[in-house]
Amino acid sequence: NAGVTQTPKFQVLKTGQSMTLQCAQDMNHNSMYWYRQDPGMGLRLIYYSASEGTTDKGEVPNGYNVSRLNKREFSLRLESAAPSQTSVYFCASSYNGQTNEKLFFGSGTQLSVL
Amino acid sequence: AQTVTQSQPEMSVQEAETVTLSCTYDTSESDYYLFWYKQPPSRQMILVIRQEAYKQQNATENRFSVNFQKAAKSFSLKISDSQLGDAAMYFCAYRSGANSKLTFGKGITLSVRP
Repeated sequence: NAGVTQTPKFQVLKTGQSMTLQCAQDMNHNSMYWYRQDPGMGLRLIYYSASEGTTDKGEVPNGYNVSRLNKREFSLRLESAAPSQTSVYFCASSYNGQTNEKLFFGSGTQLSVL
Repeated sequence: AQTVTQSQPEMSVQEAETVTLSCTYDTSESDYYLFWYKQPPSRQMILVIRQEAYKQQNATENRFSVNFQKAAKSFSLKISDSQLGDAAMYFCAYRSGANSKLTFGKGITLSVRP
């Protein structure tokens, strides 16, 4: 089983460039999430989608946009990258977003903005 | 808003010994779940154990157990018979019963001495 697949695994951008991080899950999950991980900060929620067709802001949404393309795919877009967005980005999913469900995580995208 | 605090950035344990990782949280809710996730150097996020707030009995998964003190809002992880493969970053996380959001602590890096 592929689980949660993120692409790319690594990316270097210049300030002001745009890019889209792709995420797809093959577990028929309804809920999907985007987190960023920074040293000493843990994982912080950027956006999440409780179900297909809905998206909501998390803790740190500024500078990002998301699209829940279909049930499988949830993309994260940086319209004008800034050095403060240098981070490791994780996509995750869960079946229904219920409280007791564990999240399944992708392997992460290391993004550097110069 | 809920907060999760992991005050110790690093800990070390001798192989085969026992170590306890601390976590406190702040919430006004009565319905929630608590989780411990492990992140080895591969960056993969792995669920270690979870605890429902309504259950008084502490959760146990093989060598991993928790000490859940609801009144004190404390949720520590005990690792018994530590193994070299336990070396990783460990994150405590809180999930509200009211929404899908999972809030992480800043993490603690555990090293295991052979």
